[in-house]
Amino acid sequence: AQSVTQLGSHVSVSEGALVLLRCNYSSSVPPYLFWYVQYPNQGLQLLLKYTSAATLVKGINGFEAEFKKSETSFHLTKPSAHMSDAAEYFCAVSEGGAQKLVFGQGTRLTINP
Amino acid sequence: EAEVAQSPRYKITEKSQAVAFWCDPISGHATLYWYRQILGQGPELLVQFQDESVVDDSQLPKDRFSAERLKGVDSTLKIQPAELGDSAMYLCASSHRDRDTGELFFGEGSRLTVL
Repeated sequence: AQSVTQLGSHVSVSEGALVLLRCNYSSSVPPYLFWYVQYPNQGLQLLLKYTSAATLVKGINGFEAEFKKSETSFHLTKPSAHMSDAAEYFCAVSEGGAQKLVFGQGTRLTINP
Repeated sequence: EAEVAQSPRYKITEKSQAVAFWCDPISGHATLYWYRQILGQGPELLVQFQDESVVDDSQLPKDRFSAERLKGVDSTLKIQPAELGDSAMYLCASSHRDRDTGELFFGEGSRLTVL
């Protein structure tokens, strides 16, 4: 069964600094990987997804993530943080088709002015 | 842009009362999911439908929770009786049956507070 571990429940960076949110996964088959963002009292919005094409995936709002099979990782980065990036971020893994999506515990990103 | 619709957005109820949540997925999406998200945690799957059939309800507390999708379109999740520990965000999501990525589209969620 697949699983996701997000390292760090809370990350705080200064505005303009690099954002790095860590995600490691476990899957018995080649996985599909996702990052979702959640603003307070809202649903989840897809940031980006890895579906076995390019290992470096670009998403919305300037975020990108790199799939590293050897490290079983899918870390999320953004070169320069903006105040509007403050939110909860979830990494998720799927084994494809109509299989369920399994989420990590989430990382709360805080941006300091 | 097509969206997953959920109602109500917020529900406050007393312990032992019955509550119900409704979800209308994106048109044409055969797969529908109900997730529960406790504050500070990631969403956890409660039940998955393929058309009108349940394909995974292994994490649904069946003594008090029920879910149906009678015509394979919209769905209702019911809790009876509600307990304090049921306070959470209930998220509905949908996806294409034949998509091979497993990407889900989420609604805004229904926030339940049990007093």
